[in-house]
Amino acid sequence: EVQLVESGGGLVQPGGSLRLSCAASGFTFSNDWMHWVRQTPGEGLVWVSRINADGSSTTYADSVKGRFTISRDNAENMLYLQMNSLRVEDTAVYYCARNNWLDSWGQGTLVTVSS
Amino acid sequence: QLVLTQSPSASASLGASVKLTCTLSSAHGGYAIVWHQQQPEKGPRYLMKLNSDGSHTKGDGIPDRFSGSASGAERYLIISSLQSEDEADYYCQTWGAAQVFGGGTKLTVL
Repeated sequence: EVQLVESGGGLVQPGGSLRLSCAASGFTFSNDWMHWVRQTPGEGLVWVSRINADGSSTTYADSVKGRFTISRDNAENMLYLQMNSLRVEDTAVYYCARNNWLDSWGQGTLVTVSS
Repeated sequence: QLVLTQSPSASASLGASVKLTCTLSSAHGGYAIVWHQQQPEKGPRYLMKLNSDGSHTKGDGIPDRFSGSASGAERYLIISSLQSEDEADYYCQTWGAAQVFGGGTKLTVL
């Protein structure tokens, strides 16, 4: 059974940093592109970033470009999102998801950016 | 620009059928899309990948009541024999240079 488990969310002040993790199991992690998607409470889903299977290629939404960095450790079946220079508008539940059709999702981790 | 358009809301009665629509931008009418369901206070759940010819691949455990079809740039999610647990937000999604989501349709089961 495919499982994705996010962690690392919490409360952080504007301008601060946070690193999210996503532990993957139940599939060959090193074969799949992976994504981060976020959702502000009461709003829709917004794609944040993706990384290809071997980690050599990354893409970001304009809203996070230059501030967020996606990475992965295929030996440990882990996906990461390093978030720097956080803004109030980055407050959201962050989900990791598998491959381009997002056929498996984690339960999400809440990031709150507030002073 | 790759855009997906969904109506904000829909409603149908318990036991009835409903058809939700996702419209691709005109230059991207041949793209496949994916339908996701998000029940209240839960994370999203993959329902199906829907190709331009209407063929679709459902996720594990998705009931037969859920099906998809396509016509031109429109992609449909059809839910028959509506149940209370089908009350949820439904998002369509596709990908190009980046992943793109529609704005979501909130389905109310009356």
